[in-house]
Amino acid sequence: RKEVEQDPGPFNVPEGATVAFNCTYSNSASQSFFWYRQDCRKEPKLLMSVYSSGNEDGRFTAQLNRASQYISLLIRDSKLSDSATYLCVVNTNAGKSTFGDGTTLTVKP
Amino acid sequence: DVKVTQSSRYLVKRTGEKVFLECVQDMDHENMFWYRQDPGLGLRLIYFSYDVKMKEKGDIPEGYSVSREKKERFSLILESASTNQTSMYLCASSSIPYYGYTFGSGTRLTVV
Repeated sequence: RKEVEQDPGPFNVPEGATVAFNCTYSNSASQSFFWYRQDCRKEPKLLMSVYSSGNEDGRFTAQLNRASQYISLLIRDSKLSDSATYLCVVNTNAGKSTFGDGTTLTVKP
Repeated sequence: DVKVTQSSRYLVKRTGEKVFLECVQDMDHENMFWYRQDPGLGLRLIYFSYDVKMKEKGDIPEGYSVSREKKERFSLILESASTNQTSMYLCASSSIPYYGYTFGSGTRLTVV
């Protein structure tokens, strides 16, 4: 079993839709969590950190569920420009950073 | 904004060649990382460095070495390139270990 697992998708949604991705992790000692966005043939870019209390940045909401060991990313009012691969990253307190394989989102007109 | 610059966007090398991939960051970050990204395998850590002249092995260091002679520069070396090292190589830096990486634009290496 992988340390960090994501549904690879693809998720195909119409503009304006709400879409949610989950990411599960196996190491209960994990301390910090992030979502990155990666466009086709480009480098990953930090989208947002994930805090225990949940956090929001515009149309994006990130949640953490430590009991069930998963993090989620919710995108509201999807735009064409949201089409990308979304990577979750989980860090342990030993400083190890593990990337998920990513979930691909395509937003269609 | 932090800028991480990788010297080459695309490289084609022959089997057995020694290959140097260069990475430079301009924000005085102490922490630098080399990853490779392959379809179905995600990003895998090759080597990282927390300070000048310091290096630590990541998850897949075999066949690679690194050099960090200056704080801003972290080089990845393929001692004798092989076809299974064909990949996208990504350099990253951060101010705090494993927090909020900034990636370079990547080097797509093909070994023939």
